Amino acid sequence: AQSVTQPDIHITVSEGASLELRCNYSYGATPYLFWYVQSPGQGLQLLLKYFSGDTLVQGIKGFEAEFKRSQSSFNLRKPSVHWSDAAEYFCAVGAGSNDMRFGAGTRLTVKP
Amino acid sequence: KAGVTQTPRYLIKTRGQQVTLSCSPISGHRSVSWYQQTPGQGLQFLFEYFSETQRNKGNFPGRFSGRQFSNSRSEMNVSTLELGDSALYLCASSKGLAGSNTGELFFGEGSRLTVL
Repeated sequence: AQSVTQPDIHITVSEGASLELRCNYSYGATPYLFWYVQSPGQGLQLLLKYFSGDTLVQGIKGFEAEFKRSQSSFNLRKPSVHWSDAAEYFCAVGAGSNDMRFGAGTRLTVKP
Repeated sequence: KAGVTQTPRYLIKTRGQQVTLSCSPISGHRSVSWYQQTPGQGLQFLFEYFSETQRNKGNFPGRFSGRQFSNSRSEMNVSTLELGDSALYLCASSKGLAGSNTGELFFGEGSRLTVL
């Protein structure tokens, strides 16, 4: 079955600084990749997804992610973080008819 | 377009009791997936139902069960509750099978279960 690893449990960045959250997956074929965000007490909201084609995908709230097959990675980036971006971020991998598997999440703190 | 609705949002039970949680998916979505979220274990997949059939099941004991009705609404049941079942239970719906190219998940806000 597919799996996904988010190496960073917690990241702190200053408001206005750039952000990169790491995600590595394990799957034999090309997976479907997703990034979700969860604010406290809320469900998860989809930020962006990759199915095929252009390896750089744009999402909501100014986020983007790049699929790198050679590195089995799908890192999430944002050029300038806002205080409202503080939340938990989950990378997920789908593999066709299998279920979607989520990483452990990365908690983002934004310093003023 | 209404989102995924989960009821109840909060509930408190005691050990040994059972609980039923409900999920109404987005209209037109045929798949409903359930996840358990805890601080220590993160998001753990419970099961997925598609067109009233369980398609996938995670590594949970038989105390955890679910079903899906013809209108795609789903329920999950946990019997003989244990303290460790305290968690946020998230339901998500998708047009196709979760994780497929039509399987983008849309989540509800969750049902927070506390077991005393």
